[in-house]
Amino acid sequence: AQSVAQPEDQVNVAEGNPLTVKCTYSVSGNPYLFWYVQYPNRGLQFLLKYITGDNLVKGSYGFEAEFNKSQTSFHLKKPSALVSDSALYFCAVRDDNTGFQKLVFGTGTRLLVSP
Amino acid sequence: DAGVIQSPRHEVTEMGQEVTLRCKPISGHNSLFWYRQTMMRGLELLIYFNNNVPIDDSGMPEDRFSAKMPNASFSTLKIQPSEPRDSAVYFCASRLRESGNTIYFGEGSWLTVV
Repeated sequence: AQSVAQPEDQVNVAEGNPLTVKCTYSVSGNPYLFWYVQYPNRGLQFLLKYITGDNLVKGSYGFEAEFNKSQTSFHLKKPSALVSDSALYFCAVRDDNTGFQKLVFGTGTRLLVSP
Repeated sequence: DAGVIQSPRHEVTEMGQEVTLRCKPISGHNSLFWYRQTMMRGLELLIYFNNNVPIDDSGMPEDRFSAKMPNASFSTLKIQPSEPRDSAVYFCASRLRESGNTIYFGEGSWLTVV
């Protein structure tokens, strides 16, 4: 079964600095990888995804993520953090080798950007 | 475009009462998912439907939980009887299966059972 790990419960970064939120995954086939963001008292919002093609994926709000097959990672990055980026970030994976279309989410990483 | 619409947004109910959560997926989407989010367990998939048919309900915690999708534009998640440990945020999400696997979430139903 597929799984995804977000090793950091919280990431702290100063505004204007680059940020990275880590994600590693495990699948038996090829991965479909996603990042979502959740603001307080809101639903999850789609940020970006990797299905195939270029390993560097660009998404909403200036975020990007790099797919690394050898390290089974899909880290979320942004060159310059904003205070408004403070939120809960979820990585998710779907295994294309499964008959079911199941998307498995990580436990989430809280990003705190200080002014 | 209207997103996934859930109701009620907030509900407080007494233990033992029946709770019904409702969801209207994005028009044209053919897959629907119910998730539950708690501090302890994070985001859990409860059940999902393809073309109104339940495909995987292995995440439904127990028989007190049931979900239906009578047509392509409506789904319910019912808890009967409710218990305090059911307190959580319940999210509905939908997807157009052929369009690249992205699922879109509603704003959630915040359930408190006292």
